[in-house]
Amino acid sequence: DAMVIQNPRYQVTQFGKPVTLSCSQTLNHNVMYWYQQKSSQAPKLLFHYYDKDFNNEADTPDNFQSRRPNTSFCFLDIRSPGLGDAAMYLCATSRVLSGHLYEQYFGPGTRLTVT
Amino acid sequence: QQPVQSPQAVILREGEDAVINCSSSKALYSVHWYRQKHGEAPVFLMILLKGGEQKGHEKISASFNEKKQQSSLYLTASQLSYSGTYFCGTVPLIQGAQKLVFGQGTRLTINP
Repeated sequence: DAMVIQNPRYQVTQFGKPVTLSCSQTLNHNVMYWYQQKSSQAPKLLFHYYDKDFNNEADTPDNFQSRRPNTSFCFLDIRSPGLGDAAMYLCATSRVLSGHLYEQYFGPGTRLTVT
Repeated sequence: QQPVQSPQAVILREGEDAVINCSSSKALYSVHWYRQKHGEAPVFLMILLKGGEQKGHEKISASFNEKKQQSSLYLTASQLSYSGTYFCGTVPLIQGAQKLVFGQGTRLTINP
């Protein structure tokens, strides 16, 4: 089945130790998103890629970076995780065709713990 | 700007109906609805594209009033499986929109 896959599902890192989360998709969607979601809150968009074009949200800290080496894969790098970065990180994909934004498909998420 | 959902939370008994509203201060192109169960990722329910459009899936339906920039999600004869947090996501009426703006969510609890 076509899907969005995230690895790892659970990640524990130490304060200040860089961490990379990965996302892959078999849907061939042209847009990939990274969201941060904390308990009882809505997903907060960090950035997205439209094809190779990177779009950063204005309030996303510089500590968060992303790479999309090809259509299928996207990575979230947290350069120096702080305690406040502990959260669920959701990857999602969608299509934008002829100006129309289609539904988003979410991966299962990576639960990040910072010790 | 984030759309506003109401109510923030609702508790129902199985078989009762619920309405969740989503209101935006901006002109909208479309409204998406998602449901997220505890510990899981959001799951897409439906998209409403045109003013006045109504859609339904089993006992869950929605409407979109583009003039009022509002959408409503209707859950009829609720089932235990409907429990979760419902998010609307809005797409502004601008050319080339590539992302959703999610509302803050409505937590729905269905009790037996």
